[in-house]
Amino acid sequence: DTEVTQTPKHLVMGMTNKKSLKCEQHMGHRAMYWYKQKAKKPPELMFVYSYEKLSINESVPSRFSPECPNSSLLNLHLHALQPEDSALYLCASSAKTSMSRDNEQYFGPGTRLTVT
Amino acid sequence: AQSVTQLGSHVSVSEGALVLLRCNYSSSVPPYLFWYVQYPNQGLQLLLKYTTGATLVKGINGFEAEFKKSETSFHLTKPSAHMSDAAEYFCAVSGAGGTSYGKLTFGQGTILTVHP
Repeated sequence: DTEVTQTPKHLVMGMTNKKSLKCEQHMGHRAMYWYKQKAKKPPELMFVYSYEKLSINESVPSRFSPECPNSSLLNLHLHALQPEDSALYLCASSAKTSMSRDNEQYFGPGTRLTVT
Repeated sequence: AQSVTQLGSHVSVSEGALVLLRCNYSSSVPPYLFWYVQYPNQGLQLLLKYTTGATLVKGINGFEAEFKKSETSFHLTKPSAHMSDAAEYFCAVSGAGGTSYGKLTFGQGTILTVHP
């Protein structure tokens, strides 16, 4: 199984809502990532978990809260988002931790988030 | 810091024609380079990577890339384009120092259009 799955595929939420994005992989990978991708732009790294511990936070606003309950699951909790947070949110995983330069990442299909 | 520049935000070819997508890198140390493809409304898929060793790298779907240190380039090619190759292509470099170690930095992307 070389797949990273993400749910939901689409999400529309108001600025006062609380919602969560979910990511799952069963490849035994030890690093998992959240990226944000705006239209016609490359992905921007948000968070990295290595061995279920948060290793990188790219100065992301606190309205985004990551969680790694176990080695296969990664969540992104959303609260009080702004319309400019509308984007494609991509999850990825890699066999090697983020401290390896040879760091092939496997991406999920993403969650298309719209904040109204 | 490492960076990549993709020359040409849009490339259009006829079916059966050569595909050439350009990527130049900037790195003070030997770079680790990647090409990813993103089909519409999907996540990124790794096409190929260069770390060390052979400078001509073969990837999936008939793509290959050649690492040329003298030209600081890592261009992606395919001898004969198929309609199914229409997508956005991202070149990326893996960070080599400090807090960027192991992080992927993506180019701005090149959208490939294939005409019948």
